[in-house]
Parts: sequence; structure tokens; C-alpha cells
Amino acid sequence: QVQLQESGPGLVKPSETLSLTCTVSGGSVSSGSYYWSWIRQPPGKGLEWIGYIYYTGSTNYNPSLKSRVTISVDTSKTQFSLKLSSVTAADTAVYYCARVGWGGGDFAGTINAFDIWGQGTMVTVSS
Amino acid sequence: EIVLTQSPDFQSVTPKEKVTITCRASQTIGSSLHWYQQKPDQSPKLLIKYASQSFSGVPSRFSGSGSGTDFTLTINSLEAEDAATYYCHQSSSLPWTFGQGTKVEIK
Repeated sequence: QVQLQESGPGLVKPSETLSLTCTVSGGSVSSGSYYWSWIRQPPGKGLEWIGYIYYTGSTNYNPSLKSRVTISVDTSKTQFSLKLSSVTAADTAVYYCARVGWGGGDFAGTINAFDIWGQGTMVTVSS
Repeated sequence: EIVLTQSPDFQSVTPKEKVTITCRASQTIGSSLHWYQQKPDQSPKLLIKYASQSFSGVPSRFSGSGSGTDFTLTINSLEAEDAATYYCHQSSSLPWTFGQGTKVEIK
């Protein structure tokens, strides 16, 4: 079965770039059936979608973060990555990677739910 | 951006009681509304997709309904293990958004 695992530094200094990787096991990021997303959750708060990447390299980002976000994919390593620049304390959060696919049947052509999530990795922005 | 508003924010419920959580969208989203359960220190888990389709392995006491702008998650006969925060999420239009969450506590 497909599993996702986030990895990266747990502490980042203000104004620097946060870099995380999500490794996909039991499956392939090259599948045209899925988009690969990043989602974050500040301590004690709700969920915020950051963006997604398709295996072709096509991306879409949340406008609230678009100027600072880059998501990339490495199909040879079955990984996709997140870079968030110029971080501040407000970027302190648990960062999740997740898979989202296309609907089927009556919902063909529509975007489905996030069906698989990584366990999440806590990133603290502090000097 | 589509705003999802959940109610209530918090609910304290006794076991075997029925729980109803609502999610209202700021504009119509068809049936592209999904529900997740998140327990402390765990990642969210998909419960219901497309408003009313149960995800694989989810207990039958969880059900969803609604379309357009108004949606409901129902937990029939609440069990102690259902203590969690529940989130709705829309995939109808970008940016994808989540409700603020509803925390369910067991009395």
C-alpha cells in the first residue's frame, strides 16, 4: 500500500528557506492519477492547503503563500519537495504531504479527497 | 476563495449519543465536500468523500449528506474512540480549503 513520509529540518531560522521532502513508498509519483500536495497545521490551529504538483511538474499554489512557495517532483526518487522562503514565526507548523486523486463514476473529472497522508513533521521557525 | 464554516466549534457528548456537525460553504460546491477525523498528534484521516461516500474501512456509524452549500457529518452512537477534531474540505475550486474544525469530546 502507498505510504508517504515527510523529512527535513525541524528548526529553521527566520528569513531562511524551509525545505521538506515527501517520500512515496509502495507507489509512484509518476502516476497520472494523482496530485501530490503539501498541507500545514500551526500548533492548535486548523489545516491550510499549501499547494500541489502533478508528475508532469505542473503546480498550483495557495495565493496566500504563492510568492514564497516552490513545489518540485523527482520521479526517479519517488519524492516531491516543498520550499518555503523568507520564513517567519507564523510558518511554524506541522507540515503534511498528502495524495489527492480524481473522482470516479458520477464524479469523473472532479478532484477527490486527500486519501493518504504522511505522519507530518513539525517545523519551528526560531533563531 | 471558498470559505467553509463548521458548527459547532466544540461538542461534548456522552457515548452512544448521536453527533451532528455541519459545514456551510460560501458558494455552491456541488458534492465536492469531504470529511476528515484528526486525533491528537495524528495526521487527518479521510472519513467521507463527495459528501456522502464512505471511505474504505470507515465504521458505518459515520455518514455524510448534503450538496450545494450545506453539508452534514453524522456519527451515530458515538464511541469513546471517536473523540477527535473533525474537518470538512472542499475540492470544487482552487485554492482548496478546510473548515475551522469541530472538536468532539467524550463526557
